[in-house]
Order: sequence, then structure tokens, then C-alpha cells
Amino acid sequence: GAGVSQSPSNKVTEKGKDVELRCDPISGHTALYWYRQSLGQGLEFLIYFQGNSAPDKSGLPSDRFSAERTGGSVSTLTIQRTQQEDSAVYLCASSYGTLNEQFFGPGTRLTVL
Amino acid sequence: DAKTTQPTSMDCAEGRAANLPCNHSTISGNEYVYWYRQIHSQGPQYIIHGLKNNETNEMASLIITEDRKSSTLILPHATLRDTAVYYCIVYAGGTSYGKLTFGQGTILTVHP
Repeated sequence: GAGVSQSPSNKVTEKGKDVELRCDPISGHTALYWYRQSLGQGLEFLIYFQGNSAPDKSGLPSDRFSAERTGGSVSTLTIQRTQQEDSAVYLCASSYGTLNEQFFGPGTRLTVL
Repeated sequence: DAKTTQPTSMDCAEGRAANLPCNHSTISGNEYVYWYRQIHSQGPQYIIHGLKNNETNEMASLIITEDRKSSTLILPHATLRDTAVYYCIVYAGGTSYGKLTFGQGTILTVHP
């Protein structure tokens, strides 16, 4: 079946611009996660959605970052006024329940010039 | 979540077993041990997880010590495609919903 998909696969933007990154989770998965991975670094948790519960935003690095999940499915991560330090691969994952394996998408590589 | 300690890198000959250790001496009773791997330029891939019993699936085996302070991931017959960064993570779900904390992992290089 279809896995987690993300778009775009690559995004180059200028400092100060806003960007939107999209994630399509696996159908039926109730949990959706965003992580980011800077060059040569491990993954950093950003935000988590579970069903209709309020999202856990504790990993968002600043108020320039926000995310929403519409209809319990597709999610969008928005970064406002991008900075060069926002350059990273942004990974989305989904799972059926919090103790089950997380399936990761291929990521969006964001480059802020 | 408890902190894990893994060797920075390991080598393995193709066809041999790869044994990747992980220390998690401060693990709590409700925390599971998860293993993921990340092949270059791809998203992480789940391998296996366990609580206290040893586990085996089509990819690997997980051996957890009786005191649960350490574990070993075993790839029984490593192939070149197993070259990746392997992450050992302890995770309880519950109050840490979704927060898989990835450390630096072990870079496993499988050579011919």
C-alpha cells in the first residue's frame, strides 16, 4: 500500500519568506509526527498529532513554526520568515497508535538562502 | 525518556552477523527499547522493539538483558544494503507520546 508521502521533495527559498511543507500519512493512521534533521545531526522532534486531541507542540523551536492537521489526515508544517538555520530535512511520520512503529516519509529538504 | 549510549561506528563483513550494542542503564519499567535505521538520504525505518523479552522478526533479533540496562540488535546475515545509521531509542508512549528521541546512533558499514 501507499506509504507516507511528502511534498515538495526539495524547497529552496530566500531568507524571510514563508514556506509550507505537506505530509500525507498512511490511511487510517491516527498519529502524525513532524521531525527535522539538520546536516549530520540526529532527528529532532517538532510536533505530534493524535486523533482529535490538541497537538503536542513542545518541540517547535520558535513561534515562526506552526502545523495543522485537517480532517485527521493531511498535515501542513508552516515556517514563517524563514532563517538560514531552518535549513534541514523535514520528516513526517505516521503510526497507528503511539506504541506502534512510526512510518517515515522521504522528507522535504529545505534550503534557506 | 532514558538516554541511550551506542558506539559511534562499527564494521561488519557481508554475510556475517552484525551485533549492535546499546546501553540504557536508566531505563524505566514502562519504557520499551526501539530500533530504527536510516539509510543515506532516506527517512528512518523501523526495525524492531521490545520490553523485556527477546524479540525476533524478519529483519533482526533484539536481545535485552535481564536487568534491561542494555540490549543488542542482531542482523543475522548482514548485506551491503544494511549499511546505515542504527538508532536505539527508549520510549514509553504515555506522557512522551510520539517523542522518539534519536541520538547520534551507530554508523554500521557492511563491507564485501
